[in-house]
Amino acid sequence: QVQLQESGPGLVKPSETLSLTCSVSGGSISGHYWSWIRQPPGKGQEWIGYIYYNGNTNYNPSLKSRVIISIDTSKNQISLKLSSVTAADTAVYYCARDWGEDYMDVWGKGTTVTVSS
Amino acid sequence: EIVLTQSPATLAVSPGERATLSCRASQSVSSNLAWYQQKPGQAPRLLIYAASTRATDIPARFSGSGSGTELTLTISSLQSEDFGVYYCQQYNAWPRTFGQGTKVEMK
Repeated sequence: QVQLQESGPGLVKPSETLSLTCSVSGGSISGHYWSWIRQPPGKGQEWIGYIYYNGNTNYNPSLKSRVIISIDTSKNQISLKLSSVTAADTAVYYCARDWGEDYMDVWGKGTTVTVSS
Repeated sequence: EIVLTQSPATLAVSPGERATLSCRASQSVSSNLAWYQQKPGQAPRLLIYAASTRATDIPARFSGSGSGTELTLTISSLQSEDFGVYYCQQYNAWPRTFGQGTKVEMK
């Protein structure tokens, strides 16, 4: 059974870069798309972007200029970097496995990131 | 981008009763819609995809219907483990978008 675990700093200063890692266990990273999604407090979820196991990416246009998603197949890990963060980037960040490029069939429990000085 | 509006925001239901959740899209999503369940501190769980297909191991009491701009998730006989927040998500157009959620709570 595939399991996903997000990790990274819980507190990031404004204007800095948020960096998170998603570790995949119980299955291979190969052959799948992998997404990052976030949920600000009191709001709905926002899809950030995805990466295919071969490195191809697709980002939400609203975040595209600040986002980089990368993959390390040797470590079974997906990474998220979001630059120039502000308080509006405070959210619970989830990684998830995509079924095709459509919906997400396995999710991590999420990690809370607060942007504050 | 496509905006998904879920209603009601909160639904109070007694165990054994039927729950009907609505997801309205600002433009057609055809049948390219998924439903998720989320409980506090847990990962979201895929319930339905392609508007009406149950995901693996999802009980038959969960059903999805509709297409275009009006889609519905029905829980035929609510069980205690079904309380939580339900989200719809469209994948008909980029970027993929989610609804704001419907919280199903005990009456």
